[in-house]
Amino acid sequence: SQQGEEDPQALSIQEGENATMNCSYKTSINNLQWYRQNSGRGLVHLILIRSNEREKHSGRLRVTLDTSKKSSSLLITASRAADTASYFCATGVTGTASKLTFGTGTRLQVTL
Amino acid sequence: ETGVTQTPRHLVMGMTNKKSLKCEQHLGHNAMYWYKQSAKKPLELMFVYNFKEQTENNSVPSRFSPECPNSSHLFLHLHTLQPEDSALYLCASSPRWDTGYEQYFGPGTRLTVT
Repeated sequence: SQQGEEDPQALSIQEGENATMNCSYKTSINNLQWYRQNSGRGLVHLILIRSNEREKHSGRLRVTLDTSKKSSSLLITASRAADTASYFCATGVTGTASKLTFGTGTRLQVTL
Repeated sequence: ETGVTQTPRHLVMGMTNKKSLKCEQHLGHNAMYWYKQSAKKPLELMFVYNFKEQTENNSVPSRFSPECPNSSHLFLHLHTLQPEDSALYLCASSPRWDTGYEQYFGPGTRLTVT
């Protein structure tokens, strides 16, 4: 399975600190996406990184991808209470079997 | 909200009931998806529709019946469900059926089967 697995399962930090979440997967992919989900709501797309890219930034978010290690990381800098949510990586392959496979997520708690 | 709406937001149904979930997207996308999210489990892809044609049925039991009358609307018809079907059902859309595009999710329908 190419399912992504996030690590850690849960993370608690204080506002202003950085949060790092990791995602590992098992088979070759074409791209990897990160999503955020607030409790009981739909997922919101954060960043998409393609297999030929190593790093992408979006505001306070930084995503890296290491295809040789089959892993990705999401860094949130200067975290805020509003960043409290679950974060999921989703691995994707293109072509006739095109579909995203989601991991179980990292639950991030940012306290004041 | 992301331009994808789902109704109802909450649904409680008995095992012998028939109900339907509705999803609508106003983004002009061509692909639509149904996912099931259960506690402690990864998001499970159920169905994919591309230009109104079903392209993926991820071994979903026949008590779940999808319908896509046009590229903007997606339904999930529910019949004779089991308690283990209780979950958050999420609809999503993307410009094309390709993982190289981000997916836009609706807020979900919280389903409880009693």
